[in-house]
Amino acid sequence: KNEVEQSPQNLTAQEGEFITINCSYSVGISALHWLQQHPGGGIVSLFMLSSGKKKHGRLIATINIQEKHSSLHITASHPRDSAVYICAFDSGAGSYQLTFGKGTKLSVIP
Amino acid sequence: EAGVTQFPSHSVIEKGQTVTLRCDPISGHDNLYWYRRVMGKEIKFLLHFVKESKQDESGMPNNRFLAERTGGTYSTLKVQPAELEDSGVYFCASSHTYPGYGTDTQYFGPGTRLTVL
Repeated sequence: KNEVEQSPQNLTAQEGEFITINCSYSVGISALHWLQQHPGGGIVSLFMLSSGKKKHGRLIATINIQEKHSSLHITASHPRDSAVYICAFDSGAGSYQLTFGKGTKLSVIP
Repeated sequence: EAGVTQFPSHSVIEKGQTVTLRCDPISGHDNLYWYRRVMGKEIKFLLHFVKESKQDESGMPNNRFLAERTGGTYSTLKVQPAELEDSGVYFCASSHTYPGYGTDTQYFGPGTRLTVL
């Protein structure tokens, strides 16, 4: 069983919809990361958070440390949001290497 | 500020050949990470440099993989001899360390797609 589980694996939404992607992890972490990868593109870090909530534009990331759960929300989704969204954590044990989920493929239809 | 760059973007080689991937991190970033995504799987950690030293190489699959980071600047990842299962996308990432705080966000390169035939 992977240490990071994301759901859903695939998500299709209509433009303008509110989107939620979930991430659960099974170990103690230092920080939770949300990353974005567009088709054929590189990986971009969206958020790094260790508690509470962060907001950037239409993107909101939340984390519940006690429940070992994080969510990424996209408000007023747009076709340009179509990408793979990846949840990852670092345990902070000296290396800060990331352990990744499999990603959620989001398609936003006009 | 230039981002993380990787070379080549694609490489197609035959089984048994040698390939060297290069990563140039963001200037001033002490931390350099190599990751790999094999088809259909999640991205996996390979190793971590702090400046020129290997901090953690627990993710290196076997001794056919050799990573170096010359003078704490760019890094190379050599696969010799390459096997079919080495095919995948190899990502490099770099980050800054804040003393007493830890590392910052990791910035990823565009990746090198390696195909071993």
